[in-house]
Parts: sequence; structure tokens; C-alpha cells
Amino acid sequence: QSALTQPASVSGSPGQSITISCTGTSSDVGGYNYVSWYQQHPGKAPKLMIYDVSNRPSGVSNRFSGSKSGNTASLTISGLQAEDEADYYCSSYTSSSTPNWVFGGGTKLTVL
Amino acid sequence: QVQLVESGGGLVKPGGSLRLSCAASGFTFSDYYMSWIRQAPGKGLEWVSYISSSSSYTNYADSVKGRFTISRDNAKNSLYLQMNSLRAEDTAVYYCARGRAMVDYWGQGTLVTVSS
Repeated sequence: QSALTQPASVSGSPGQSITISCTGTSSDVGGYNYVSWYQQHPGKAPKLMIYDVSNRPSGVSNRFSGSKSGNTASLTISGLQAEDEADYYCSSYTSSSTPNWVFGGGTKLTVL
Repeated sequence: QVQLVESGGGLVKPGGSLRLSCAASGFTFSDYYMSWIRQAPGKGLEWVSYISSSSSYTNYADSVKGRFTISRDNAKNSLYLQMNSLRAEDTAVYYCARGRAMVDYWGQGTLVTVSS
């Protein structure tokens, strides 16, 4: 069982916006601003999309945004495109386990 | 450009050992924390271990503590993972990754299969 809870799947139509949640505790998501989001296409390595809750690395589309409220972090994708279909994982620093970084269980995004 | 290339994966019997290597290029390797992250077939990501830039600090998942050892050679721009007493549940793609708080570059992964 993953330390961070994500919905198993979400879906949306092209052009719509979707939000993926990542729920933890005060020992991880709620206690630190070290939440990252990764996109993984089948058979490929993950790609960093958001770091430190809401920062986008250079080259990542501004359609991707991150936020946090209490113990829940969120990834929002606006203007959904076919190529956004992938698995998405959140990650957070945690003070309650080693090696102090944990992933969520992943969310499969389907673009209808 | 940043490149991380893993090697050393393969088929090993339960109780056996493997040493994974990761060759880094395109950045100043000695400036960065490095991590090993794995993904069992059809499953999610799991942080295995990370090491500080100077090797002074390492940390491991409870599931591998005492069996796996992470190390690096900054002169050779290389990261290693020595895996002993391997179990079936260690079967996974193992990714070499740059960073810790944010992993901004990943290798293509190397598959480790533990089976008799």
C-alpha cells in the first residue's frame, strides 16, 4: 500500500480540464512543500512535470499546474490533449519512513 | 545533454546478487544527489535508495535495507547499486535518477528478474 493516495483513474475529453489528487498526512504532503508530479507513458521512464508543489520545470507546458491544500496536493491539466494520456505519480518528502521520499500509487489518465 | 544509462540487470535466482551501474554524462555528476527508483511489472514507483553528492549520506527503503548498498564514483561519473540476497519481490525495472526532492532526469531503466 502506497503512502500517498491517488485515484486509480481519471478521464476527460480533449480541451477539458482534469485534476488528480494526492492525499497524505501531516508527516508528508501536509507538512512540507516538497511535492512533485511525474508523467509516465507506457514503456517509458517517468518525466518530471511539477516540483515543490507548484513549480514547472523548463519545457513543461503551462497547461500543467500544481497546488496543495492541507494534506492533499493536486495536479491540474487544462486543455486536455491526446498526448496527455499517461500514468501520473505524485511524490513527497516524508518524515515517517525511509528513505524519506514516497510515491503515490499512480493515476491512469484516459483522454476520451 | 543529460544522459543516464543503466546496465547490469538480468535474471538471477533467489538469494543471488547483482550489481547495477549507471553511467552519467552531460552534467557535473559530483554536484548532485542520485537515486535508484524501481517499478515492479504493472505496478507503481518505489524509492529504493539515494546517496548524497559526496557519498557522505545514504538512505534506503525498509524493504531493501541490509541487502542493498548504494555507492558512487564521482571520478568515473558512475552510480552503483549492489543487490544481495535478492527476492522474487525485488523483480522490477530499476531506474537511475538525478536528484532527490525533484528527480529531473531518469535513465531508461534496467530490468532485474529474480526467479528460479
